[in-house]
Amino acid sequence: DQQVKQNSPSLSVQEGRISILNCDYTNSMFDYFLWYKKYPAEGPTFLISISSIKDKNEDGRFTVFLNKSAKHLSLHIVPSQPGDSAVYFCAAAAYSGTALIFGKGTTLSVSS
Amino acid sequence: DAGVTQSPTHLIKTRGQQVTLRCSPISGHKSVSWYQQVLGQGPQFIFQYYEKEERGRGNFPDRFSARQFPNYSSELNVNALLLGDSALYLCASSIQGAGELFFGEGSRLTVL
Repeated sequence: DQQVKQNSPSLSVQEGRISILNCDYTNSMFDYFLWYKKYPAEGPTFLISISSIKDKNEDGRFTVFLNKSAKHLSLHIVPSQPGDSAVYFCAAAAYSGTALIFGKGTTLSVSS
Repeated sequence: DAGVTQSPTHLIKTRGQQVTLRCSPISGHKSVSWYQQVLGQGPQFIFQYYEKEERGRGNFPDRFSARQFPNYSSELNVNALLLGDSALYLCASSIQGAGELFFGEGSRLTVL
């Protein structure tokens, strides 16, 4: 049973527009959430995180929103750039420092 | 500064053989985690070590074992290889096992 779900395997966006990647989780014990980006032949790279005491965290073009009641988080990328094309993984943990549970990933394609 | 380094990057084994994968964490990081990523899935947690002690173990059979050395480097061993063990094995380090993980590029294992 998947505890972290990324229901959209792929997303295509035009350069300059907003990319919204979604993630749902089922375990109410999760209180720390992260997004990673992965290019082919590379390991995942940390993007941004959020703890359950917040509902929003921003870092440059990247913003993560957390809706605890809906057990849903999303990653917004504005504006999207062709270099953002990669696989994006949502991950969650029961508390910072424990094992991360990853979703299956969403492949983002940004066209110029 | 060097990131997380893993070796070998690629290897091919046959069923029943044994494999050892190696990982050197970022300097100053005392925690190492191992993840398995099969095609089309997100990384799945195998082990976490902190200060040479096992801190967590995922749902993997006893054929999988690991250890962490005094210099904080780590090895992952898999015995009696099965075809299903074919995957990308990712090592990640963190300062104390808390917060974001920094991943290496992975070791691609193919079992024939």
